[in-house]
Amino acid sequence: SQTIHQWPATLVQPVGSPLSLECTVEGTSNPNLYWYRQAAGRGLQLLFYSVGIGQISSEVPQNLSASRPQDRQFILSSKKLLLSDSGFYLCAWSRSWGQYFGPGTRLTVT
Amino acid sequence: SQQGEEDPQALSIQEGENATMNCSYKTSINNLQWYRQNSGRGLVHLILIRSNEREKHSGRLRVTLDTSKKSSSLLITASRAADTASYFCATDEDNQGGKLIFGQGTELSVKP
Repeated sequence: SQTIHQWPATLVQPVGSPLSLECTVEGTSNPNLYWYRQAAGRGLQLLFYSVGIGQISSEVPQNLSASRPQDRQFILSSKKLLLSDSGFYLCAWSRSWGQYFGPGTRLTVT
Repeated sequence: SQQGEEDPQALSIQEGENATMNCSYKTSINNLQWYRQNSGRGLVHLILIRSNEREKHSGRLRVTLDTSKKSSSLLITASRAADTASYFCATDEDNQGGKLIFGQGTELSVKP
């Protein structure tokens, strides 16, 4: 069966510090991968998606970047965090019948 | 861009009652999906309805799709306290490589 992992679960970082969130998928190969951000009480905003190694599409210009160094690994990064980067970050992979989400990372930028 | 718009934003019902949530969208779609999110957790895929389908059932869930009105509804019958969660619709737009556009969600509270 397929599983998706995200870490860390929670993170508190000061403004201006770097960020690295990791997502890995097991049990499938060449998945489409997605990073979303969810503000409190709101819907999901698609940040990046990837259809293969090294292939990243950005949906919203911002302070973040994404990389896919391996088939089942998706990394969300920032060189310098802003207060507005706080939120709940979700990674997902997709099959034809829907997307499967990881448990999420709660990021608080102070 | 945010495609799905859901109403109501919040819904509070008693256990045993039915809960209906609605979703409207703007462009043509391949399919529409409903997801559930418990507080502070990831989303869980509930059901997918394709653009050529009008109604679909899964257990206590019933989803309808009206492509002429660009709208969908999710009905949860005989609700339980454990159904308390946020529910999101998401559209898979034509030729968008499987990307989903999520609505803002409906927060459902089922009181025992």
